[in-house]
Parts: sequence; C-alpha cells; structure tokens
Amino acid sequence: NAGVTQTPKFQVLKTGQSMTLQCAQDMNHEYMSWYRQDPGMGLRLIHYSVGAGITDQGEVPNGYNVSRSTTEDFPLRLLSAAPSQTSVYFCASSYSPGLAGTGELFFGEGSRLTVL
Amino acid sequence: AQKITQTQPGMFVQEKEAVTLDCTYDTSDQSYGLFWYKQPSSGEMIFLIYQGSYDEQNATEGRYSLNFQKARKSANLVISASQLGDSAMYFCAMREPPYTGGGNKLTFGTGTQLKVEL
Repeated sequence: NAGVTQTPKFQVLKTGQSMTLQCAQDMNHEYMSWYRQDPGMGLRLIHYSVGAGITDQGEVPNGYNVSRSTTEDFPLRLLSAAPSQTSVYFCASSYSPGLAGTGELFFGEGSRLTVL
Repeated sequence: AQKITQTQPGMFVQEKEAVTLDCTYDTSDQSYGLFWYKQPSSGEMIFLIYQGSYDEQNATEGRYSLNFQKARKSANLVISASQLGDSAMYFCAMREPPYTGGGNKLTFGTGTQLKVEL
C-alpha cells in the first residue's frame, strides 16, 4: 500500500519561480488537504478538498493554488514563490469523519521547500 | 485565541518511566474530536490516538492513553513505559464541525519535543 505519496521530497526555488507539489493517494479517500509546518507554529491548513471538483481555502491560502480533478490527486501550486513560503509541506487524506472510524488524517512524508 | 495549546516545548523522561504531555483546547462546539500525532526526526506524521467529545471513556492504544477532562478542556497524552523510540515531536490536534461539506480540518498545537533518556 502506497498510502499518500508526495513529490518532490526536496526542492529549492528562486524567488518568483512557480512549481507544483504533487500528492496522490490510493485509499479512495474523499477528503484531501495541504498543511505547511514551520518551526514553533505546528501545522497550518493551506487548502483542502472534500471531493473531486471541490476545493476550499484553509488558514493560510495566499500564494497557493489547488485543484482536484480526480479522487486520487491533489496538487499544490506555488504561483510566484517567496522566501516566506520556505517550509515543510504535508499532504493528507482521510475518509469523512463518522463514516469510517475516527477519520484520522493519513499524511504523506512531507516536501521540504526552500525559496531563496 | 489559540485553539490548541501545548505549553511544554520540551520534555525529558527516563526510559521505562511514564510521561504526560499536556494539551488544552478551546471550542464552543459540543461535538469535536481530539487527536495526537507523533513526528519522529525522520519527519513523517504518525497517528497515535483519538478521543471524541462524546466518548465517556478515555481512549487507549497500547502504551498511549488520552486523559480527557472535558470540563477543563484538556486532552493530555500519557505514554507509559517510555522507550528510546518514543523520542519525537508530539502534536495535539482538534477537529471541529461542520464535517459535512466542511471536510476534516484539523487545528494543530505547536508541539512538544520529547526526549527519552537512558
């Protein structure tokens, strides 16, 4: 079982460049989300999706774009990278809460992004 | 105001001892869920334990138990018989409604770094 797969694991960008972090899950989860982790701040929600074709903003959406064309994939796009976007990014997926147990999030391994 | 507060940035515990990691939360909802995740130095996020707000018994999973005190809005993680492999960052998180259409959004605390010593 692959679970949640994120690529790339490491990336260095220059200010102003754009890139896409890929996320795929093979558990048929309807819910997918992106978090960023910064020192001393825990994980903060960027964007999330409750199903194919449906996305919404989380706590820190500025500078990021998402789409969900299939159940499996949820890419995160950085439109014009800024040093403030240097962070570790996690993709997560789950069933809807209440439908299958606790609805805990399953996380990818993380992507470490540095913007110079 | 922070929704999840973890006041212990770092903790030390001796191997085989028990340790309690503190977590307090703030919500006006009656229905919510509380989670603990472990993040070892390798970076992955590992789900440990869950407590629903209507669960009358404290959740337990092996050596992990969640000390849920609803009136005090606390959800402390207790690790019994600590092992060297328990050294990691631990995050408390809360899920609030709405769930339908609102998805499964978790709010995380800032974490507690646990170090288990010989």
